[in-house]
Amino acid sequence: DQQVKQNSPSLSVQEGRISILNCDYTNSMFDYFLWYKKYPAEGPTFLISISSIKDKNEDGRFTVFLNKSAKHLSLHIVPSQPGDSAVYFCAASAGRGSTLGRLYFGRGTQLTVWP
Amino acid sequence: GAVVSQHPSRVICKSGTSVKIECRSLDFQATTMFWYRQFPKKSLMLMATSNEGSKATYEQGVEKDKFLINHASLTLSTLTVTSAHPEDSSFYICSAGLAGAGELFFGEGSRLTVL
Repeated sequence: DQQVKQNSPSLSVQEGRISILNCDYTNSMFDYFLWYKKYPAEGPTFLISISSIKDKNEDGRFTVFLNKSAKHLSLHIVPSQPGDSAVYFCAASAGRGSTLGRLYFGRGTQLTVWP
Repeated sequence: GAVVSQHPSRVICKSGTSVKIECRSLDFQATTMFWYRQFPKKSLMLMATSNEGSKATYEQGVEKDKFLINHASLTLSTLTVTSAHPEDSSFYICSAGLAGAGELFFGEGSRLTVL
């Protein structure tokens, strides 16, 4: 059963505009959420994370929003750049300490930023 | 930043042979490393948790006799695919995290092709 869902397999955005990638989860025990970016034939690279005690975390052009009541998080990229074109994975974890590594991944969203 | 390196990045082998993939944490000690497998159009699947000095913990459905994991030191974990078959062809990724941190650092991945 997919506990982390990314319902949009692809997203196409024009350069300079905002990209919004969405992620939903079902397990209320999840308390730490991460976004990873993956280029073809490479391993995922960590992008940004958010703890359940926050509802927003910002890092440069990337902002993650968490809505715990809706079990929903989103990644905003502003402004989008062609180099952002990649697959973005949403991941969730229950407990940062002992369960580090037990990440539940969504299936990913292919973001394409066109000039 | 923390770096995790995998070797080889690509390997092609004949059916029935065994293949070893190495995962190294280059600038930090990792008591725990994780092995994932990526299926086409699917999310990353956690295969097992590799613990330094003890047996690996395998996820349900993963054959421990087929996917041998050895965590010989604080900076090295190996995954050996024994008696490989074409259906084992996949992208294998390892990761490691800093103790107390929430982020995982991923290796570049290893593309295994079994002929």
